[in-house]
Amino acid sequence: DAGVTQSPTHLIKTRGQQVTLRCSPISGHKSVSWYQQVLGQGPQFIFQYYEKEERGRGNFPDRFSARQFPNYSSELNVNALLLGDSALYLCASSLRGANTEAFFGQGTRLTVV
Amino acid sequence: QQQVKQSPQSLIVQKGGISIINCAYENTAFDYFPWYQQFPGKGPALLIAIRPDVSEKKEGRFTISFNKSAKQFSLHIMDSQPGDSATYFCAATLSGTYKYIFGTGTRLKVLA
Repeated sequence: DAGVTQSPTHLIKTRGQQVTLRCSPISGHKSVSWYQQVLGQGPQFIFQYYEKEERGRGNFPDRFSARQFPNYSSELNVNALLLGDSALYLCASSLRGANTEAFFGQGTRLTVV
Repeated sequence: QQQVKQSPQSLIVQKGGISIINCAYENTAFDYFPWYQQFPGKGPALLIAIRPDVSEKKEGRFTISFNKSAKQFSLHIMDSQPGDSATYFCAATLSGTYKYIFGTGTRLKVLA
């Protein structure tokens, strides 16, 4: 079985640009969450989607947005990139919504220059 | 109140030894406590998880001990191996919510 797949694996963007990151959950999983992991820190929650609806949002500015598609894949968009947005962006897949096992993808390494 | 405090920040253990990583929390509404292992450049991998109605859970060489009254939980890695060298994160979820709150991580190095 394929695990959580994220694309691209690496990305370099310039300040002010916009970026879209993609995630495909484990087959049968209906929940996707997004996390930001800055080097040397634990992942920080950005969004969760379950059954295509936003179910949770972390303490991130409105420049961050996401959506989930009918096939349960998801996109994370970040507008007006700042240097501080440089991080590993992780997607996690869960069978259901709250309080269940979450399986992470390899992440997308975003570098903003 | 929504923090999970993890210690130590780094740990060096001899091969065959026991690695112990501790986490503490304040919010009694947390009700699911997973541990993740992360290798450099990779995403976190779920190791083992526990709910507060259980005091201990063992899977292979990995054991979670949970002390509900002290609001602490710990990961024990028995017979530690060089391949266990990685960063370990504890996490917790608030009942009915959808987000994991992660600790700050422990970098484990197992010497051969």
